[in-house]
Amino acid sequence: QKEVEQNSGPLSVPEGAIASLNCTYSDRGSQSFFWYRQYSGKSPELIMSIYSNGDKEDGRFTAQLNKASQYVSLLIRDSQPSDSATYLCAVLRAGGTSYGKLTFGQGTILTVHP
Amino acid sequence: DTGVSQDPRHKITKRGQNVTFRCDPISEHNRLYWYRQTLGQGPEFLTYFQNEAQLEKSRLLSDRFSAERPKGSFSTLEIQRTEQGDSAMYLCASSFEQGVGYTFGSGTRLTVV
Repeated sequence: QKEVEQNSGPLSVPEGAIASLNCTYSDRGSQSFFWYRQYSGKSPELIMSIYSNGDKEDGRFTAQLNKASQYVSLLIRDSQPSDSATYLCAVLRAGGTSYGKLTFGQGTILTVHP
Repeated sequence: DTGVSQDPRHKITKRGQNVTFRCDPISEHNRLYWYRQTLGQGPEFLTYFQNEAQLEKSRLLSDRFSAERPKGSFSTLEIQRTEQGDSAMYLCASSFEQGVGYTFGSGTRLTVV
């Protein structure tokens, strides 16, 4: 089992729709969760962080965390073609010298078509 | 300070040659990370520094890889006797404290021919 798994893509949605990206993680002690966006040929860019159960909203983005289910998701409302990118889920493992090391999922490619 | 800086942006080298990459983190960040990313995969952890101390090194790193952060500021990643399998994007990131997301540099794309 991979430590961080994301729903397989690619995901294609029409402009204006809601894009839903999902991620599960195996380490129950994980404490912090992040979503990064990565455009083709570029480096990852942090777009959302979430630390406690529930929803966190930032503009068109909503991150959702359910620690009991070991599940984190990202919703993008009113999707735009400029949202087309790879979205990476990252989990911060807790404890020892691993604290501070992010573990990434494989990424989900999102395409928003006009 | 405009962010994490990596140099060079691209490097093409012949198999068997040594290469060295440099990373300059955001100045007030004391934590520095190196990751490697291949096409279609998420970044894989290589190593982590807190100030000048190298606190963790991935088992992915063979003895051909070494990283330093001599004064707790910039860091270098050296790959000796490069192999074609080393071809990847090498990403450096930094953070100010535990538990927060990183800021990544633009990366160094290595191609071993």
